[in-house]
Amino acid sequence: AQSVTQLDSQVPVFEEAPVELRCNYSSSVSVYLFWYVQYPNQGLQLLLKYLSGSTLVESINGFEAEFNKSQTSFHLRKPSVHISDTAEYFCAVSEPYKLSFGAGTTVTVRA
Amino acid sequence: DAGVTQSPTHLIKTRGQQVTLRCSPKSGHDTVSWYQQALGQGPQFIFQYYEEEERQRGNFPDRFSGHQFPNYSSELNVNALLLGDSALYLCASSFNGEVTEAFFGQGTRLTVV
Repeated sequence: AQSVTQLDSQVPVFEEAPVELRCNYSSSVSVYLFWYVQYPNQGLQLLLKYLSGSTLVESINGFEAEFNKSQTSFHLRKPSVHISDTAEYFCAVSEPYKLSFGAGTTVTVRA
Repeated sequence: DAGVTQSPTHLIKTRGQQVTLRCSPKSGHDTVSWYQQALGQGPQFIFQYYEEEERQRGNFPDRFSGHQFPNYSSELNVNALLLGDSALYLCASSFNGEVTEAFFGQGTRLTVV
């Protein structure tokens, strides 16, 4: 079974500052990787995913993540955050028929 | 397109009772997966339903059961509720079980008292 480790449980950050959320997974085989965002009292929304090809993937709202196979990592970054980016972020890895999630990172953006 | 819809949004049950949660998949999807998200944790896979059968199951006791109907909607049933069953229950739909294209609903918040 796959496991996902999100190295930071909480990340406070000031508005317009950069942020990085770290994610490591355990697998020696090819996997698909995902970042989901969860706003308060809501479900999960897909932020971005890596399936194949370029190791750098981007979302429409300025986030990007880089797949690093040798380090089994899929860190999420944003160069300049907004108040509206305050949310819980989950890294996930695919397995047959299911997703395995990390414990989540709470990002709190302060003015 | 209404996306994935779950009902109810919130409910409160007493220990020992039984509960049924419902999920309607996104239009065009034929697979429904259920996840449990306890407070402060990531979602945990319960099971997946495809062609009206349970195709894959996570590490959950038999108190958790499900059903899928011919219109692809699904129910999650939990018997003999425990306090530890309090969580956000998320439904995800996809086509042919393809998790790379899964869409999640808003969830049902279950509180067991």
